[in-house]
Amino acid sequence: GDSVTQMEGPVTLSEEAFLTINCTYTATGYPSLFWYVQYPGEGLQLLLKATKADDKGSNKGFEATYRKETTSFHLEKGSVQVSDSAVYFCALRVGYQLIWGAGTKLIIKP
Amino acid sequence: EAGVAQSPRYKIIEKRQSVAFWCNPISGHATLYWYQQILGQGPKLLIQFQNNGVVDDSQLPKDRFSAERLKGVDSTLKIQPAKLEDSAVYLCASSLGGVGDTEAFFGQGTRLTVV
Repeated sequence: GDSVTQMEGPVTLSEEAFLTINCTYTATGYPSLFWYVQYPGEGLQLLLKATKADDKGSNKGFEATYRKETTSFHLEKGSVQVSDSAVYFCALRVGYQLIWGAGTKLIIKP
Repeated sequence: EAGVAQSPRYKIIEKRQSVAFWCNPISGHATLYWYQQILGQGPKLLIQFQNNGVVDDSQLPKDRFSAERLKGVDSTLKIQPAKLEDSAVYLCASSLGGVGDTEAFFGQGTRLTVV
């Protein structure tokens, strides 16, 4: 069945470090791909999305490219800040279904 | 535009009591989701509505959980009777629905503590 696999956390980085959080998927058809972020004590917010192959989603310095050949949607940021500490979820939509990864906790130390 | 509204934000109840949560989705959104998120885990879909019809309730514990979406707008989720393991954040989300539907928009959630 359709699924999303994220790298396990927590991921701990120093401020201004480069970030990559891996996300790979298995899906029939042509899914849309998403990254959501959940800050402590808050609900889920859409961070970025891509709806077709080779699309690049970007927001707040984060980027992810929809790679159909590798079935991946890795999240990257060139220089992280303490305020980026949160849990990041990769998700895909196929038809009416929205399928979630388990989440990756990111901790940024000053 | 107004976001997804949920109430209450917090609720503490004793086990075996009942509780209800309310959600008002974004205007015009046909699809409404209820998720359960246990601390440290990803969201687990409980039920998904398309207008006022149920699309997926395969993970809803139907012996104690129920949900309705009258008139295809607001929705309520009820737990009766509650168990300790129901302690979680209950998230409501909505999306446009239909062909080309993409992201879901989430409310702030209701944090339920069962003691």
